[in-house]
Amino acid sequence: GENVEQHPSTLSVQEGDSAVIKCTYSDSASNYFPWYKQELGKRPQLIIDIRSNVGEKKDQRIAVTLNKTAKHFSLHITETQPEDSAVYFCAASVGGTSYGKLTFGQGTILTVHP
Amino acid sequence: GAVVSQHPSRVICKSGTSVKIECRSLDFQATTMFWYRQFPKQSLMLMATSNEGSKATYEQGVEKDKFLINHASLTLSTLTVTSAHPEDSSFYICSAQEPGRPGYFGPGTRLTVL
Repeated sequence: GENVEQHPSTLSVQEGDSAVIKCTYSDSASNYFPWYKQELGKRPQLIIDIRSNVGEKKDQRIAVTLNKTAKHFSLHITETQPEDSAVYFCAASVGGTSYGKLTFGQGTILTVHP
Repeated sequence: GAVVSQHPSRVICKSGTSVKIECRSLDFQATTMFWYRQFPKQSLMLMATSNEGSKATYEQGVEKDKFLINHASLTLSTLTVTSAHPEDSSFYICSAQEPGRPGYFGPGTRLTVL
């Protein structure tokens, strides 16, 4: 089955700096790669996603890049703010009707210091 | 956006009892429901996938006789943890999906087994 590795496990940055989280996946059939932000005790919140026919996608301060050949994808957060502090998870799945069967990475605890 | 609810939000029970968790899609028809489990400070792990009107498909290592899943309608799926033990204490999150769209997570249920 699919295996998703995520790094780093913790990331500490100063407000205004950029943060980058990286994930690799094992199943070449995976073609849907979402990123979630989860605050303590709450549900994961989808912040951005990318399909394998696209190399990069951006939404304001957040961007995701995908290298299908190398089987890795990354989350980039620019101009970080304290409210960006949370746990971030990458995930992968085979798309189509199976969007939701996600394999998650281990998570990254992001701390943004004011 | 799509709304998914879970009930109860938290439950405490004695060892050996059974607990039922409900997941409802409030404004769309969820043909597929996914159940995830998240232990403290860990990632989400898929437990099972259920399609409306069909038997659930369980992931390897998940006991189907212990975690009973019912998806009797397009808006409701239930997870029953039978004969719960302390090691079943976890955060249980459902994801409801309509065809061709990513799943939406419920708010989660915190189960504590004493």
